[in-house]
Amino acid sequence: GDSVTQMEGPVTLSEEAFLTINCTYTATGYPSLFWYVQYPGEGLQLLLKATKADDKGSNKGFEATYRKETTSFHLEKGSVQVSDSAVYFCALRLAGGYQKVTFGIGTKLQVIP
Amino acid sequence: GAGVSQSPSNKVTEKGKDVELRCDPISGHTALYWYRQSLGQGLEFLIYFQGNSAPDKSGLPSDRFSAERTGGSVSTLTIQRTQQEDSAVYLCASSLDPDSLYNSPLHFGNGTRLTVT
Repeated sequence: GDSVTQMEGPVTLSEEAFLTINCTYTATGYPSLFWYVQYPGEGLQLLLKATKADDKGSNKGFEATYRKETTSFHLEKGSVQVSDSAVYFCALRLAGGYQKVTFGIGTKLQVIP
Repeated sequence: GAGVSQSPSNKVTEKGKDVELRCDPISGHTALYWYRQSLGQGLEFLIYFQGNSAPDKSGLPSDRFSAERTGGSVSTLTIQRTQQEDSAVYLCASSLDPDSLYNSPLHFGNGTRLTVT
């Protein structure tokens, strides 16, 4: 079945450090890929998305590129801030209607000053 | 505009009791999802509605779990004879019709934290 694998946390970084959170997927078709973020005490919200191979999603300084050849969608940010501390979820959805969204396990990021 | 609303925000119940969790999706969103979030388990898919029908119930853990949606809007998730392992945060999300906009994102509620004692 379809699945998403992401690195387990927690990830602890100092402010202004470079961030990479790895995400790979297995899918029977051609999925759209998403990163969702859950800030402390808040609900999940969409961070960025990409709908086809080689697309780059970006938002709030975060980026992820849809790599079909490696079935990956790694999340990166050049300089993290304390306010980026949250849990990050990679997710996919197949095309073709009636499709659930499959999430990874989530990676907790803690940024320290 | 209003987002996805879930109630109650917290629920403590005794083992063996039934509970009902409610979700009000964003107006106009035809797709509605229920997920369960447990510590260390990530987001576990439970059930998906398109309108009032549920094309995918594959994630419901047992026959103690059921869900319905009426009027293409409000949904309730019912857990009968609750067990301690049912303790988790139950999340509801809605989105536009995925058949035409398969890249449309999910909009989540803040969840219901269920504790079974």
